[in-house]
Amino acid sequence: GAVVSQHPSWVICKSGTSVKIECRSLDFQATTMFWYRQFPKQSLMLMATSNEGSKATYEQGVEKDKFLINHASLTLSTLTVTSAHPEDSSFYICSASYRTGGSNEQFFGPGTRLTVL
Amino acid sequence: GQNIDQPTEMTATEGAIVQINCTYQTSGFNGLFWYQQHAGEAPTFLSYNVLDGLEEKGRFSSFLSRSKGYSYLLLKELQMKDSASYLCAVRDGKAAGNKLTFGGGTRVLVKP
Repeated sequence: GAVVSQHPSWVICKSGTSVKIECRSLDFQATTMFWYRQFPKQSLMLMATSNEGSKATYEQGVEKDKFLINHASLTLSTLTVTSAHPEDSSFYICSASYRTGGSNEQFFGPGTRLTVL
Repeated sequence: GQNIDQPTEMTATEGAIVQINCTYQTSGFNGLFWYQQHAGEAPTFLSYNVLDGLEEKGRFSSFLSRSKGYSYLLLKELQMKDSASYLCAVRDGKAAGNKLTFGGGTRVLVKP
């Protein structure tokens, strides 16, 4: 149980185009979804927290107009990287959690590797 | 804000034991997690501590001291497949959604 999927697993795009990444919780309803970015040999950096039906909460330094997050249902959140540039090339990972009364751990998706040419 | 420190790299021999330390400073501690991450893959959950003491799970154990802002992950009977990055993450109970802040990760290399 508690499986999270991401699509696509990798994408290559031209500079200036937009890319949409989907994150789905397959066998549970996620109260909260998180989006992270990870550069090579670095740790995960939280970009934003999103709850179904409400606006995402962005971390300091993350441009909300560039990284659009939509959390339309309890099982789906999307991250759109608008006008992508080479410096946006990174490993994007989503996670989802639900209230269990216990650890409320985050379950991670397999990640999406974005390469902007 | 939160500050989480862990060593960058550690090397150990197959069959041995390795202890990865993590120190943290946080304003609203609500649990500490350890994750394992192989290169190019997403993190996988290893352990969770919210109260002081030791949590044992097979070859992996995790310890927490809240008063010292300190945790460690103990890996016993090391296997080659344990070569990975180990991430310490602290949950902020005061933040929206109980977000996690990750340390820089410790790359463990297991040698034959």
